[in-house]
Amino acid sequence: QKEVEQNSGPLSVPEGAIASLNCTYSDRGSQSFFWYRQYSGKSPELIMFIYSNGDKEDGRFTAQLNKASQYVSLLIRDSQPSDSATYLCAVNTNAGKSTFGDGTTLTVKP
Amino acid sequence: DAGVTQSPTHLIKTRGQQVTLRCSPKSGHDTVSWYQQALGQGPQFIFQYYEEEERQRGNFPDRFSGHQFPNYSSELNVNALLLGDSALYLCASSWGVGGTGTDTQYFGPGTRLTVL
Repeated sequence: QKEVEQNSGPLSVPEGAIASLNCTYSDRGSQSFFWYRQYSGKSPELIMFIYSNGDKEDGRFTAQLNKASQYVSLLIRDSQPSDSATYLCAVNTNAGKSTFGDGTTLTVKP
Repeated sequence: DAGVTQSPTHLIKTRGQQVTLRCSPKSGHDTVSWYQQALGQGPQFIFQYYEEEERQRGNFPDRFSGHQFPNYSSELNVNALLLGDSALYLCASSWGVGGTGTDTQYFGPGTRLTVL
């Protein structure tokens, strides 16, 4: 079992819809959780981070964390074609080591 | 505000050679982490440097080594290159080591290494 698991996709949604991306992790000692967006051939770009159980909203993005279920999700509202990318979930231990999932590829169709 | 910078952008080497990649952290950051990203996979943690010392290391052989300088910039060295070392090498910087609120990382543009 991988330490951080994501559905590889591809996930396809129509423009304007809500895209839901999921991530599970195995280390219960994980303390901080991150979502990155990575366009093809580019480096990861930080979208959001979340440390506490519950929801955190930033514009069209909402991160959700449930430590009891070891589950993190990212919702993208009003999806745009420019949101088409690979989304990486990253989990940090208290020592700052980051473990990444292999990413979910999202395609938003006009 | 200068972001994370990496050099070179692309590099082509042959098997058995040695390579050095360089990274300058974002202004105000003092911690540098290095990652290897193979095609279709997520970044894999190589090691992290803070206060000029290697603080944590991932599951990579000793062929991978690094250094951090007093100005917080860092180098990644890979000896005896293998074909499997071909990947995007990413540097990420953050402030402090560990702990909630201090470990948000920002990535540089990466160095694409091709080993022939």
